[in-house]
Amino acid sequence: DVKVTQSSRYLVKRTGEKVFLECVQDMDHENMFWYRQDPGLGLRLIYFSYDVKMKEKGDIPEGYSVSREKKERFSLILESASTNQTSMYLCASSLSQTNTEAFFGQGTRLTVV
Amino acid sequence: RKEVEQDPGPFNVPEGATVAFNCTYSNSASQSFFWYRQDCRKEPKLLMSVYSSGNEDGRFTAQLNRASQYISLLIRDSKLSDSATYLCVVRAGGSYIPTFGRGTSLIVHP
Repeated sequence: DVKVTQSSRYLVKRTGEKVFLECVQDMDHENMFWYRQDPGLGLRLIYFSYDVKMKEKGDIPEGYSVSREKKERFSLILESASTNQTSMYLCASSLSQTNTEAFFGQGTRLTVV
Repeated sequence: RKEVEQDPGPFNVPEGATVAFNCTYSNSASQSFFWYRQDCRKEPKLLMSVYSSGNEDGRFTAQLNRASQYISLLIRDSKLSDSATYLCVVRAGGSYIPTFGRGTSLIVHP
């Protein structure tokens, strides 16, 4: 079974803090994604990566950055957390461009106070 | 127009009922189609892929209509455990990115 693991289930951070969300997958998947999910808005893509050190902006990249130094790990960074970044963050991975079934981590519920 | 559209519901049905959801997509170059299920406070999980010829998995049937650009999910003999949000997912040809609909909420009651 593919396993996608996010480092925290729940996080509480203060406004202005730098926040790191970590995601690791164990199946040698090429593609990794960060989404946020908010009530009524569904899943919105923040960033994705199709290879090590490669990254592409999604629909809502403002206020976020990412890092993919190793194939199995994709990190989401909130440079200066704000209250409107309170959300559920979901990491996902997929094998390749042609095999795109996405496997999700369990999610990180981030609260910025 | 949003790329992938779903009726948010909720669809409120009794146990044993048959219920169907539709999902429309705007990109005619879309190539891959999926239905995901998401339980409350959990991550989405693949329910089934949707093939051009349609496919069935037990009580679940998925259909693709390319001409009208929609996919459907039919659930027969609904169970209480089917209560969840069902997400439609579409990927355009040449793209790495699956695009998610906002989901349709299903509540199955006794």
